[in-house]
Amino acid sequence: GAVVSQHPSRVICKSGTSVKIECRSLDFQATTMFWYRQFPKQSLMLMATSNEGSKATYEQGVEKDKFLINHASLTLSTLTVTSAHPEDSSFYICSAFAQHLQETQYFGPGTRLLVL
Amino acid sequence: QKEVEQNSGPLSVPEGAIASLNCTYSDRGSQSFFWYRQYSGKSPELIMFIYSNGDKEDGRFTAQLNKASQYVSLLIRDSQPSDSATYLCAVTPLGNQGGKLIFGQGTELSVKP
Repeated sequence: GAVVSQHPSRVICKSGTSVKIECRSLDFQATTMFWYRQFPKQSLMLMATSNEGSKATYEQGVEKDKFLINHASLTLSTLTVTSAHPEDSSFYICSAFAQHLQETQYFGPGTRLLVL
Repeated sequence: QKEVEQNSGPLSVPEGAIASLNCTYSDRGSQSFFWYRQYSGKSPELIMFIYSNGDKEDGRFTAQLNKASQYVSLLIRDSQPSDSATYLCAVTPLGNQGGKLIFGQGTELSVKP
């Protein structure tokens, strides 16, 4: 149980385009989903917290207009990187939380974004 | 002071030895503690959780929690090369009901054959 998927696993795009990443909890309903970014050899950086049906809460320094988060259902959240630039190239990881599942987060496999 | 601190390593141990990974946290009201393993290029996976003072064993892994001293540790017995990864300590802050975790920077473990 507690399986989280992400799609796509890898994406290469041109500078200026937008990229959408999907995060799904496959076998449970997630009350909250989290989006992280991780640069090589660095720790996880929380970008935003997303609750179904409400606006995401962004961490300080994260541009909400650049990283659009939609949480349409208890099993799906999406992150759209708008007008991507090479500095947005990173490993984006989502996680899902459900109170009844050890009260912790279960991570998706991640999406590696490369902006040319 | 960072909220959750870990020695970044790398920690190198020979195969078959015990690897000891430590973590300290600053929020005395923290209630729940987790260890995640992250292989290079992969996302974190949950390997242990502990809520009460003392030891909790699961196979070759033992988590130890000391709330008075505000530290949590992870012992890996009979270390294998496949245990080579970065280990992330995570803490749920007091009063947090929304699942948010505070992560340490991670300790890189290298198990040498």
